Amino acid sequence: DAGITQSPRHKVTETGTPVTLRCHQTENHRYMYWYRQDPGHGLRLIHYSYGVKDTDKGEVSDGYSVSRSKTEDFLLTLESATSSQTSVYFCATTEGEKLFFGSGTQLSVL
Amino acid sequence: ELKVEQNPLFLSMQEGKNYTIYCNYSTTSDRLYWYRQDPGKSLESLFVLLSNGAVKQEGRLMASLDTKARLSTLHITAAVHDLSATYFCAVGAAGNKLTFGGGTRVLVKP
Repeated sequence: DAGITQSPRHKVTETGTPVTLRCHQTENHRYMYWYRQDPGHGLRLIHYSYGVKDTDKGEVSDGYSVSRSKTEDFLLTLESATSSQTSVYFCATTEGEKLFFGSGTQLSVL
Repeated sequence: ELKVEQNPLFLSMQEGKNYTIYCNYSTTSDRLYWYRQDPGKSLESLFVLLSNGAVKQEGRLMASLDTKARLSTLHITAAVHDLSATYFCAVGAAGNKLTFGGGTRVLVKP
């Protein structure tokens, strides 16, 4: 599992509230990613990071921001959560040619 | 924009028979991934295919890549119940950013 821990595992929040999801890795991997998974869409890339303080947008970045102040932590923030952001969020890191995923965070925005 | 299409979306299999899942993608790429996901779980890496003509096999699963046709196949030999899951292909770009297909849900019946 490339030493990836996501927190929280489940969260229920209300529309308009800020939410931060955390991804922690223990393997000192340079690249980290946030994906969301929705039925019929597979996984879609939200943001990614290629080093401390180096981040870039993916294909579905609107409404999300990220920060990476330490190699081991990659934070995903929903500044003002909307119902369309109800989803399962996966963090991933790269080890060699492979991409390994965390266990996911189920987020429900009511 | 890279598009990745899998078919079929759903595959009902009989134990002991052979089946194939297809993954087509729209632009040139040098790497193709296959993942397995069980309900409520994370994604498990199955194969990484890195060159035209690459073929990899693990147990009853075999994946191949034709970069000229922009096609990868995942072949299942003599299906067994344990192979019931959702299978995703993903096409890689620079920085290991992946674009996923929509997934193929596989159900193996006795």
